[in-house]
Amino acid sequence: GAVVSQHPSRVICKSGTSVKIECRSLDFQATTMFWYRQFPKQSLMLMATSNEGSKATYEQGVEKDKFLINHASLTLSTLTVTSAHPEDSSFYICSARPTGQRNNEQFFGPGTRLTVL
Amino acid sequence: QKEVEQNSGPLSVPEGAIASLNCTYSDRGSQSFFWYRQYSGKSPELIMFIYSNGDKEDGRFTAQLNKASQYVSLLIRDSQPSDSATYLCAVKGGQAGTALIFGKGTTLSVSS
Repeated sequence: GAVVSQHPSRVICKSGTSVKIECRSLDFQATTMFWYRQFPKQSLMLMATSNEGSKATYEQGVEKDKFLINHASLTLSTLTVTSAHPEDSSFYICSARPTGQRNNEQFFGPGTRLTVL
Repeated sequence: QKEVEQNSGPLSVPEGAIASLNCTYSDRGSQSFFWYRQYSGKSPELIMFIYSNGDKEDGRFTAQLNKASQYVSLLIRDSQPSDSATYLCAVKGGQAGTALIFGKGTTLSVSS
């Protein structure tokens, strides 16, 4: 149990285009999901906390208008990188926190590697 | 802003030895501490979490927490080459207080 999927796993796009990444909890409901970004040989940096049915909470330095987050259901959150540029190339990882008694745990998706040309 | 500090390593140990990984954190009010393992190109996997002072054991892994010293460690007994990975220490935090704030990770290399 507690499986989180991400789609796509890998995407290459041209500079200036927008890319949508989906994060799904497959066998549990998640009121809260989180989006992280990881550059090569660096740690995971929290971008935002996504709550079902409400606005996401962004970390300092993360542009809300550039990284659009939508958490429309208890099993799906999406991250859209708008007008992507080469510096946005990174490994984007989501995690989901199950509702209920296990809500201190977070389960990570497999990640999406974005390359912007 | 909560900070988590780890020695980036690499930490090299021979197979069968004990690997000791250390982590310090800045916020004295932190309550929840997590150790994750990450293989190259993959997402993190939870090893264990600890909330209370003292030791918590799970198989070959032991987490140790000392809140007074703001220090948490992970011991891996009988290290195996498959344990070679980056180990990430994390505390609860973020603007909403529910996310994980990660350290930079310690790279462990276990030689056979």
